[in-house]
Amino acid sequence: NAGVTQTPKFQVLKTGQSMTLQCAQDMNHEYMSWYRQDPGMGLRLIHYSVGAGITDQGEVPNGYNVSRSTTEDFPLRLLSAAPSQTSVYFCASSYSDRPYEQYFGPGTRLTVT
Amino acid sequence: KQEVTQIPAALSVPEGENLVLNCSFTDSAIYNLQWFRQDPGKGLTSLLLIQSSQREQTSGRLNASLDKSSGRSTLYIAASQPGDSATYLCAVGGGYQKVTFGTGTKLQVIP
Repeated sequence: NAGVTQTPKFQVLKTGQSMTLQCAQDMNHEYMSWYRQDPGMGLRLIHYSVGAGITDQGEVPNGYNVSRSTTEDFPLRLLSAAPSQTSVYFCASSYSDRPYEQYFGPGTRLTVT
Repeated sequence: KQEVTQIPAALSVPEGENLVLNCSFTDSAIYNLQWFRQDPGKGLTSLLLIQSSQREQTSGRLNASLDKSSGRSTLYIAASQPGDSATYLCAVGGGYQKVTFGTGTKLQVIP
């Protein structure tokens, strides 16, 4: 099993550009989520999904969109990048009956200039 | 709103020393508390999960304790090794999607 994979590992964007961060898991997990990690602030939940076709907002959803068309994939879209979105982004997944046993991807380091 | 604090932010110890990492939280109405390890450029790896009804969990050289009434958890690492060098995060579970992470303690074990 590859576990949770994320692409790209690094990305530099200019303000106003859009992009999609990819996340995939091969463990047949129902629950998937996106976090951002900023210095001095801990991980914060952006969006999550409890299954294909179902998504909901987390703590800091503004400026991000998600969709879940398959169990395996959960892409995160930045609509119009802003310097405040410079961060490290982590995708995680788990079985719905064990939501705290999350498996994390290696992260995407995004810089917005 | 739950707040999770980890002090110190960084810690450096010689190899072989026993050490304790601290985590404190403001709201004692929690479901569980989890300790993670994060290596540079990598994701988070779960180390120990303590349910709210438990007082401690052990895995190898690691022991995590939970005192809900005082809002504190500790992660004890015995006989530290250079391979233990990483950032350690605690995360407090307040419900299905309500997980609050601390900012972490960066541990360096010096050979």
